[in-house]
Amino acid sequence: DARVTQTPRHKVTEMGQEVTMRCQPILGHNTVFWYRQTMMQGLELLAYFRNRAPLDDSGMPKDRFSAEMPDATLATLKIQPSEPRDSAVYFCASGPEGTQYFGPGTRLLVL
Amino acid sequence: AQSVTQLDSHVSVSEGTPVLLRCNYSSSYSPSLFWYVQHPNKGLQLLLKYTSAATLVKGINGFEAEFKKSETSFHLTKPSAHMSDAAEYFCVVSPYNFNKFYFGSGTKLNVKP
Repeated sequence: DARVTQTPRHKVTEMGQEVTMRCQPILGHNTVFWYRQTMMQGLELLAYFRNRAPLDDSGMPKDRFSAEMPDATLATLKIQPSEPRDSAVYFCASGPEGTQYFGPGTRLLVL
Repeated sequence: AQSVTQLDSHVSVSEGTPVLLRCNYSSSYSPSLFWYVQHPNKGLQLLLKYTSAATLVKGINGFEAEFKKSETSFHLTKPSAHMSDAAEYFCVVSPYNFNKFYFGSGTKLNVKP
């Protein structure tokens, strides 16, 4: 049963530190998404890749966030420098066109 | 322009009674529509999707949804709620080319014993 995997599952860091989250999409999926979920804002789309090319990153704060797909088996989301307001659960999802399969999320706490 | 509105932020039902979670959308094109479920501390899971085939869509765990173009609705139903259905449910709309996905704000379903 193929699944999206995310690492780390939990991360506690101090303000100003760099945070890198990794996602392994399901083999063969050509779309990858990064979402952020908080109690206050709900679910927000940060970035959307199709065939490894960024299709939409309008929801991502460009000054500190970056998302990349160095190859088809790895997607990364980086925050530098991190701030307490970045504390959230970050989900990666992958899919064939039109469908998304979500990973378990990375729970980030920035102190 | 596309958008999706989930009309109820919380719904509470008794176990064994029907479930209705409401979703209305607006779309300039023929949309695709989805329902996802999120159990506590878990990722989202696809329940069902509509992509211009049959208007009544059956999903997993006994859920189904009906696409009603005239009412711009895609309500999620289940004949009999189980305790395990307690979760948050998200309605999602996407245009035909899947260049964007618009999530509703979510409906939390509580199932009482």
